[in-house]
Amino acid sequence: GQQLNQSPQSMFIQEGEDVSMNCTSSSIFNTWLWYKQEPGEGPVLLIALYKAGELTSNGRLTAQFGITRKDSFLNISASIPSDVGIYFCAGHSGTYKYIFGTGTRLKVLA
Amino acid sequence: DTEVTQTPKHLVMGMTNKKSLKCEQHMGHRAMYWYKQKAKKPPELMFVYSYEKLSINESVPSRFSPECPNSSLLNLHLHALQPEDSALYLCASSQGEVGATNEKLFFGSGTQLSVL
Repeated sequence: GQQLNQSPQSMFIQEGEDVSMNCTSSSIFNTWLWYKQEPGEGPVLLIALYKAGELTSNGRLTAQFGITRKDSFLNISASIPSDVGIYFCAGHSGTYKYIFGTGTRLKVLA
Repeated sequence: DTEVTQTPKHLVMGMTNKKSLKCEQHMGHRAMYWYKQKAKKPPELMFVYSYEKLSINESVPSRFSPECPNSSLLNLHLHALQPEDSALYLCASSQGEVGATNEKLFFGSGTQLSVL
């Protein structure tokens, strides 16, 4: 099925560093969602974005809905070891289909 | 409450067994979903129920049979599975209102299925 391009694919960072990842699409979306998934668990919704240009924060996480509606960005500030996991973006265009990104695997070195 | 509850957490079954996965939500959501996820890959859509009717079947083999007994419950019946069907099976729900501008998709914790 269709997938969104998500980058980077994986990253190792030092504790305390800031992290940035992004998701790009050839199609426009009305909604962007960001999830975190840990091994053996379901994805947990972190942030939902509904408007082009929207910037939304959830604690140390900040996400933006790109103005072209074809991309979205997630930033994590001052990373901590428990930020480890796979982060997925998902685009939604008003149907029941959510298109997922390929995932960014984050590993934090203490 | 944004909880989607799935049971069982883990399931091991033989290729001749019949088993069922269960999912429940009490958020008043009208759309419920089954996804299949292989390790390190994004979730893949299998089925969508909208207002208790099957809306989307992503060409899933008939050995997977979904059922929506009511607006809060979703089942996935499994029969004669193959080893390659081993995966994390995720249930999800969303408001499911046509034209809604603030849809969110909530996932359960999944059932890790191993087919021997």
